Amino acid sequence: GQNIDQPTEMTATEGAIVQINCTYQTSGFNGLFWYQQHAGEAPTFLSYNVLDGLEEKGRFSSFLSRSKGYSYLLLKELQMKDSASYLCAVRGNTDKLIFGTGTRLQVFP
Amino acid sequence: EAQVTQNPRYLITVTGKKLTVTCSQNMNHEYMSWYRQDPGLGLRQIYYSMNVEVTDKGDVPEGYKVSRKEKRNFPLILESPSPNQTSLYFCASSPDRGGSTDTQYFGPGTRLTVL
Repeated sequence: GQNIDQPTEMTATEGAIVQINCTYQTSGFNGLFWYQQHAGEAPTFLSYNVLDGLEEKGRFSSFLSRSKGYSYLLLKELQMKDSASYLCAVRGNTDKLIFGTGTRLQVFP
Repeated sequence: EAQVTQNPRYLITVTGKKLTVTCSQNMNHEYMSWYRQDPGLGLRQIYYSMNVEVTDKGDVPEGYKVSRKEKRNFPLILESPSPNQTSLYFCASSPDRGGSTDTQYFGPGTRLTVL
């Protein structure tokens, strides 16, 4: 079967760095996405990885290791507005996009 | 403004009363999809469409129908809603298949309650 695992909840302090992990087992691999979703709102795209390595985009970076079925999202210089759920999603061999259940991040002052 | 719109945003209905949730995108995207989001289960794909007149089942298609007669519209139809279809529904679209342009743009969501 296909499975995506990520922690349910994490907490961090404003200004700190936090790493949100995602492990996946899918039939094939055609890309991994990270989305941010604030409570009651639609998910918004953060990053995309298809090759191994680190993709950096401002305060956010995403890493992928295809051999390990592993990715992480790194958030630097945390701000209060970063409190949200972070969704890991993988596209396997089919055209379906499989989402993890999301990691709810709470940032405290 | 480039966007995905859904209507209605909120709906309370009763078991068995047919309903349609509309979805429209103005970005000329090929790919459109419907998801439902439930606590502890995350986003699950209901149906998707690669292009006009091409639709396919996602992971949880039972109890739903879709159509894609025009590129911009992708309505979700519940012929006989049941309480287990109470959920938050999102429509999404993306430009094409593959690569970072595969990024999905989500509509604002429709919160459906079936009594």
